[in-house]
Amino acid sequence: QSVLTQPPSVSAAPGQKVTISCSGSSLNIGNNYVSWYQQLPGTAPKLLIYDDDMRPSGVPDRFSGSKSGTSATLGITGLQTGDEADYYCETWDSSLRAGVFGGGTKVTVL
Amino acid sequence: QVTLRESGPALVKPTQTLTLTCTFSGFSLSTTKMCVSWIRQPPGKALEWLARIDWDDDKWYSTSLKTRLTISKDTSRNQVVLRMTSMDPIDTATYYCARTRGYSGGGRSHTDSDYWGQGTLVSVSS
Repeated sequence: QSVLTQPPSVSAAPGQKVTISCSGSSLNIGNNYVSWYQQLPGTAPKLLIYDDDMRPSGVPDRFSGSKSGTSATLGITGLQTGDEADYYCETWDSSLRAGVFGGGTKVTVL
Repeated sequence: QVTLRESGPALVKPTQTLTLTCTFSGFSLSTTKMCVSWIRQPPGKALEWLARIDWDDDKWYSTSLKTRLTISKDTSRNQVVLRMTSMDPIDTATYYCARTRGYSGGGRSHTDSDYWGQGTLVSVSS
């Protein structure tokens, strides 16, 4: 059971938008920064978003991050077949004094 | 150019101790805010955070695995070592090391891993 809760799967047609939620508590998301990762099949995770809403160099602006209270959201616009992957949120838990990941969300492009 | 590479045994027996080494280049673990984390992923399952060692030698561990894990660094050799005792088949997973930016500022903690190794699959079986 993950400390951070993500929906197991989301799907949409090419060109559409999807959002992935990541729910936590004041001990983690509520008071620390959130990062998001994309994991394509058979590969290592790739950093998409850091500090809640910042994109590393090279990440398309189709990917966006936001946070409100104890929940964070990853948005993907202009969905492409190459976006089919698992997506994970991560943050620091101040009570556990450790990093925590969400359970992951599989994005399917219909 | 930042690279990380995990190395260690592909197969360990139950009750044995696993030792994994992360050898990295392109950055220094003595740079402020620089850290190295270990994360694992059982086949078909989610990522699980294991441990992190910081530039100032602070060490952080997964609460559920804390009694079994030890993380250490050799800054001069650009290596981070993770030891996990009492291995069990449930520990079968791909183990990743990653360069992590980890620090606290304004009462809030930053943690994000921008470079990852390719991962090493460790199977636990007799």
